[in-house]
Amino acid sequence: NAGVMQNPRHLVRRRGQEARLRCSPMKGHSHVYWYRQLPEEGLKFMVYLQKENIIDESGMPKERFSAEFPKEGPSILRIQQVVRGDSAAYFCASSPRQGADYGYTFGSGTRLTVV
Amino acid sequence: DQQVKQNSPSLSVQEGRISILNCDYTNSMFDYFLWYKKYPAEGPTFLISISSIKDKNEDGRFTVFLNKSAKHLSLHIVPSQPGDSAVYFCAARGTGANNLFFGTGTRLTVIP
Repeated sequence: NAGVMQNPRHLVRRRGQEARLRCSPMKGHSHVYWYRQLPEEGLKFMVYLQKENIIDESGMPKERFSAEFPKEGPSILRIQQVVRGDSAAYFCASSPRQGADYGYTFGSGTRLTVV
Repeated sequence: DQQVKQNSPSLSVQEGRISILNCDYTNSMFDYFLWYKKYPAEGPTFLISISSIKDKNEDGRFTVFLNKSAKHLSLHIVPSQPGDSAVYFCAARGTGANNLFFGTGTRLTVIP
């Protein structure tokens, strides 16, 4: 009966390193959404994926950021060559179908700190 | 271009009284609105929602009101309890859209 699992909970990276954030959706959920929360701001949409497909990446920065949701395993948000401005809380949400009519389920987030 | 705005960053209410959290939006294409509650170090938890075809939705102590002409919605919690102390986010979605637009949140403190 696990909810949306994100790991790691906290991640510290030096500038220029790569960050990999993992998200395992709830059982039976095949739709995954990534959001980012910068300090003192609300959550901002990044990307929406279904198994093996990126459906909407309109919120992803054009460079250094990528996401995948393979047939097997968790969804991965990858940030290459991290910079201080990437420091934020990254939340993953999942749902059993497209849309957010009932409010999809969020994980506890990964807090990325770039030093 | 903050399309969903929560202009009160914080609110304090006495236990047992009503809490009213407000939210304004600018995009007239939004057709679904949600409220999330967030505790520190946790992800947002869905609380209640409302479709644009309604003006009120109630669930226990929580009621959401929607005023489409004013592009305004509010969340009423009555009676407020200390366990309600959290950050509340308002969110909105456009027709057929995949993503939600979130406000910046209001921190509610319910004083025992």
